[in-house]
Amino acid sequence: GDSVTQMEGPVTLSEEAFLTINCTYTATGYPSLFWYVQYPGEGLQLLLKATKADDKGSNKGFEATYRKETTSFHLEKGSVQVSDSAVYFCALKSGGSNYKLTFGKGTLLTVNP
Amino acid sequence: KAGVTQTPRYLIKTRGQQVTLSCSPISGHRSVSWYQQTPGQGLQFLFEYFSETQRNKGNFPGRFSGRQFSNSRSEMNVSTLELGDSALYLCASGQGGVAFFGQGTRLTVV
Repeated sequence: GDSVTQMEGPVTLSEEAFLTINCTYTATGYPSLFWYVQYPGEGLQLLLKATKADDKGSNKGFEATYRKETTSFHLEKGSVQVSDSAVYFCALKSGGSNYKLTFGKGTLLTVNP
Repeated sequence: KAGVTQTPRYLIKTRGQQVTLSCSPISGHRSVSWYQQTPGQGLQFLFEYFSETQRNKGNFPGRFSGRQFSNSRSEMNVSTLELGDSALYLCASGQGGVAFFGQGTRLTVV
């Protein structure tokens, strides 16, 4: 079945540091890949997505590239801010019109001033 | 457009009781899916409804059930509550290949 493995953390960085959160997946066919972010006490917000190999998703300075050869979708940001502190989830949706998402365990990011 | 709305935000129930959670999707979205989030198991898929029909189901016992109405609003029901059902329950509505989540209902079973 489908599965997502991501770096569990926690990750603690200083403001303006470079961020990488690793995510690899197992799926049949050609899934769509997502990063969601969850702030304390809230639901999930879509951060970025990619629907096919070599696509790069980007939003708010975050980027991730869909790498089919390494089955990876690593999240990166060049310079993190205190406001980026949150839990980040990597997720996949297998092909088809359904909306069944498989999530990684989440990575807690704390950015200190 | 208004986002996904879940009610109530917080619930406290006693073991053995049942509970119903509600979800109103983004206007025009016909798919509604439900997830359970716990510290130990993370985010787990419960089920998905599309046009009032259950399209997918996760690996949960039959105590967990759901339905969708003709206006796409959805409810999920948990009967005979157990302490382990304490969790954040998230609803998502989907369109264009993307799922948009509500803020969740925090259920505490005592």
